[in-house]
Amino acid sequence: EVQLVESGGGLVQPGGSLRLSCAASGLTVSYNYMSWVRQAPGKGLEWVSVIQNGGTTYYADSVKGRFTISRDNSRNTVYLQMNNLRPEDTAVYYCARAVQGYNSRIDYWGQGTLVTVSS
Amino acid sequence: QSVLTQPPSASGTPGQRVTISCSGSSSNIGSNTVNWYQQLPGTAPKFLIYSNNQRPSGVPDRFSASKSGASASLAISGLQSEDEADYYCAAWDDTLNGVLFGGGTKLTVL
Repeated sequence: EVQLVESGGGLVQPGGSLRLSCAASGLTVSYNYMSWVRQAPGKGLEWVSVIQNGGTTYYADSVKGRFTISRDNSRNTVYLQMNNLRPEDTAVYYCARAVQGYNSRIDYWGQGTLVTVSS
Repeated sequence: QSVLTQPPSASGTPGQRVTISCSGSSSNIGSNTVNWYQQLPGTAPKFLIYSNNQRPSGVPDRFSASKSGASASLAISGLQSEDEADYYCAAWDDTLNGVLFGGGTKLTVL
């Protein structure tokens, strides 16, 4: 059974940094397309980033240059380093697996971790 | 990042058939496959439809979808109270090099 467990969310001031973690079980992150998708309170889904099995990464324009996706194969964990955070980054962040070759075909989702950017 | 265009709301009575549209452009829906997600209140999204019209195992055949040109649609027949949820379409965009989600459609079962 695939499980994705996010952690690292919390309250941070504007301009601050936070690192989210996604511990995977039932799949090997290095063989998969691992993604982050966020949802602001009361709003829709917004794709954030993907790291493909070969290491290629893509980012939404809204986070490009501020967020970095990475993985630790030995820990089977995916990370999202978030720098220079803004109030509009406040959201529940979901870790997810996209089917290899199809970045938008997301078949497994974590339960999400809440990030609040506020002074 | 722009979004794919969905109606903000839809509704129907039990047993009815409802459809939800998703409009994009040549760089996203027009050239890539569409996927659909269901999000029940307070839960993570659930994988509902892939490759324009395919259902993952476990998804009832009451759910169907189609794509034509740069638009797609999701249909739910035999509407049930447990179908009350938010529904999102998604597709890769070749120009933005990113995944686009629709703004979401809140389905109410009257």
